[in-house]
Amino acid sequence: KQEVTQIPAALSVPEGENLVLNCSFTDSAIYNLQWFRQDPGKGLTSLLLIQSSQREQTSGRLNASLDKSSGRSTLYIAASQPGDSATYLCAVGSGTGNQFYFGTGTSLTVIP
Amino acid sequence: DTGVSQDPRHKITKRGQNVTFRCDPISEHNRLYWYRQTLGQGPEFLTYFQNEAQLEKSRLLSDRFSAERPKGSFSTLEIQRTEQGDSAMYLCASLKSGATNEKLFFGSGTQLSVL
Repeated sequence: KQEVTQIPAALSVPEGENLVLNCSFTDSAIYNLQWFRQDPGKGLTSLLLIQSSQREQTSGRLNASLDKSSGRSTLYIAASQPGDSATYLCAVGSGTGNQFYFGTGTSLTVIP
Repeated sequence: DTGVSQDPRHKITKRGQNVTFRCDPISEHNRLYWYRQTLGQGPEFLTYFQNEAQLEKSRLLSDRFSAERPKGSFSTLEIQRTEQGDSAMYLCASLKSGATNEKLFFGSGTQLSVL
């Protein structure tokens, strides 16, 4: 079974700082990888999806990279803002694309 | 496109009672997932449907849990004889398989508290 790990579990940074969140997975035979944002008590909002054949995806201040061979993905957030405070989760799609395995998330706090 | 809808948002019940949750996926999405999430954890897979067919159930899903998607549109998740350990956020998600971009879209969840 795919195991997904996110480090660090929590991160606190001052506003304006660039930061990197990490996601690692044990089985490199993946279908895709998604990064989500979750606000307290709410559902998950998709931020970026990287297909298995891709190396990175960008949306605004967010950039996600994928290195299947090393079992890693990173989410880069540029010029962080207090509104970015949330929990960020990565989800790895299984080889068939039928199943998604989630990490436990990184709780981000951006201090004004 | 109104997104994935879940009802109710919150449910408080007494131990031993039955509860039922509803999920309305995005209309053209053929695949629907149920997850359970507890505080500080990522979503844990429960089951998924391809159209009306339930294709996979987690081994963690006890016989007290049942899910349906009768016409390949909305889905229900029922928990019978609830236990305190069932307290969690129940999340529904959907996607359109075979699309170029198979993003998973989540509803806002149903927060279940078993007293």
